[in-house]
This record gives sequence, structure tokens and C-alpha cells, in this order.
Amino acid sequence: NAGVMQNPRHLVRRRGQEARLRCSPMKGHSHVYWYRQLPEEGLKFMVYLQKENIIDESGMPKERFSAEFPKEGPSILRIQQVVRGDSAAYFCASSPGTGQSPLHFGNGTRLTVT
Amino acid sequence: DQQVKQNSPSLSVQEGRISILNCDYTNSMFDYFLWYKKYPAEGPTFLISISSIKDKNEDGRFTVFLNKSAKHLSLHIVPSQPGDSAVYFCAAVYSGTYKYIFGTGTRLKVLA
Repeated sequence: NAGVMQNPRHLVRRRGQEARLRCSPMKGHSHVYWYRQLPEEGLKFMVYLQKENIIDESGMPKERFSAEFPKEGPSILRIQQVVRGDSAAYFCASSPGTGQSPLHFGNGTRLTVT
Repeated sequence: DQQVKQNSPSLSVQEGRISILNCDYTNSMFDYFLWYKKYPAEGPTFLISISSIKDKNEDGRFTVFLNKSAKHLSLHIVPSQPGDSAVYFCAAVYSGTYKYIFGTGTRLKVLA
């Protein structure tokens, strides 16, 4: 019974490159969330998606960041032209989206921008 | 605007004693509250939750209390064990939005 799968676990990019972070939700879950954790800080909401729809992207910077959750395949968080301030741990979570239910998190992708 | 606050960044407790972690929120629309535990280099793990229609929920050594009038919830761990040493996050959500808001975390250290 696979949990939320994120890859890669670690990603190193030079300034100006693109970063692609992938997330496969738990089986049966149709809601995906992305959170960012900066060093010594809490989990900051970025975006909430359902299959093929972005429901709430109020926590995501308007420039350089985008997210998708296609009908087939994993959810992707894409960061274009990365800067040093993008270095953080990015966590994906999923839920069945019915009633009051907890989010289940993956182990995150640690992005380092050099 | 920090809607969910954990004002204690860290807490140390002796093994076998009670650990009490606190969380305050400002949005009265929140109707579901959760606690997560996080070890370094891992994702947060769900511990326990409580609906706003209840004031207490218990699961083994973990009990969550909700005081809606004070907009306050707490997590009690009894007895505390060294393996409980981790960062604990509280979270809140209004079911109508499905937007889960997390606090900044409290680092618990249980001393053997």
C-alpha cells in the first residue's frame, strides 16, 4: 500500500535552471497539495489541485512557479529560473477529498540552488 | 497573517512525564484540527485529529483537547518516550475550502 511518493528526494540546480518536482498521491486520493518548508520555518501552503484543476494557488508565487495534476501521471511542481531563495524542502500531500480527512505527506524533495 | 500559531518553538520533557504542546488559531471558521509529527529528512506523519463538534479525542498515549471559545487546542502525550522527540505541527482547516493551514511547529525533546 504505497504512500505518497515524491521524487527526486534531492535536487541540485544552478541559478537560472528549471526544477521539476514530482508527486504521486496515495491510491484512491484525488486531491493533491504542495507545501514548502524553509529552514527553521513551518509548512507554507502553496497550491491545492484536483485532477486537471487548480483549486487554490493563493500560496504560490505568481512568477516562475506553476503546478499541474494531469488526468494521467503525477502532479508536477515546476520552478523556472530558480534563485537561491527557492532552496527549501517541498512536500506533497494527498487526501481523498471527502469529509474531514487528514493529509498524507510524502518525504519531500529537498531543492538546493547553487 | 498567521492563522495558526504555535508560540513555543521548543519543549523539553523527562521520559515518563507528560508533554503538552499548544496551538492557537484565529479563524473561527476552522472546523477540523490535526496534529502531525515530523522527524528530520522525513515528511510529516499524521498523529491525531479532532472535529470542532468535539472537545476531546484520545488515541493511545495521545489526546487532543479543543477549546473553541479560546480558539486553542493542545496535544497531550502521556507517558512521553524518547522516540517522541520530533517537531510537532498543528494544522487547521475549514472543510468548505479544503485549505489546511499549519503552525510553525514545536520541537519536542524527551530526555531519557
